Amino acid sequence: KQEVTQIPAALSVPEGENLVLNCSFTDSAIYNLQWFRQDPGKGLTSLLLIQSSQREQTSGRLNASLDKSSGRSTLYIAASQPGDSATYLCAPGAAGNKLTFGGGTRVLVKP
Amino acid sequence: DAGVIQSPRHEVTEMGQEVTLRCKPISGHNSLFWYRQTMMRGLELLIYFNNNVPIDDSGMPEDRFSAKMPNASFSTLKIQPSEPRDSAVYFCASSHRDSGSYEQYFGPGTRLTVT
Repeated sequence: KQEVTQIPAALSVPEGENLVLNCSFTDSAIYNLQWFRQDPGKGLTSLLLIQSSQREQTSGRLNASLDKSSGRSTLYIAASQPGDSATYLCAPGAAGNKLTFGGGTRVLVKP
Repeated sequence: DAGVIQSPRHEVTEMGQEVTLRCKPISGHNSLFWYRQTMMRGLELLIYFNNNVPIDDSGMPEDRFSAKMPNASFSTLKIQPSEPRDSAVYFCASSHRDSGSYEQYFGPGTRLTVT
């Protein structure tokens, strides 16, 4: 059974600092991995999807890396802004596109 | 596109009552997923459909839960009878299974409170 761990559970940084969010998973037989953002009381917004054959994916200030063999993914957010404050969730996808979610990292960017 | 649509957004009901949650996936998507989010257990997959057919319902907690997808644009999740421990946020998500990326898009969720 896939288990997903996200470290740290919470993170507080001053505006402008780069963010590094870590995700580890136990079963490396994945098809892809998705990173989501969730604002309080809201749904999930897809940020990046990395296919199992890819090493990284970039979108604007966001960059996600994937090391499938070691069961790790990292989300980098450059030059953080107060609007980046949210919970970030990692979800590796298995056969049938079944996602297993980590507990999330709650991020606070202070102005 | 309007995105994934869920209704109602909030539901408060008494224990023992039947609850029906509704979902309209993104047009053209052929996979649909129901998730539940609680503080204790996080986000869990309940059931998913491909081309309107239930593929895996191993996450459905009990027989009190049932889900249907009568057509490509509508799905329901029913709880009968409801219990206080069913209180959670229920999300619906959809994806295009044949696109190659399988990226899932989530709806805004239904917050269910059972008293």
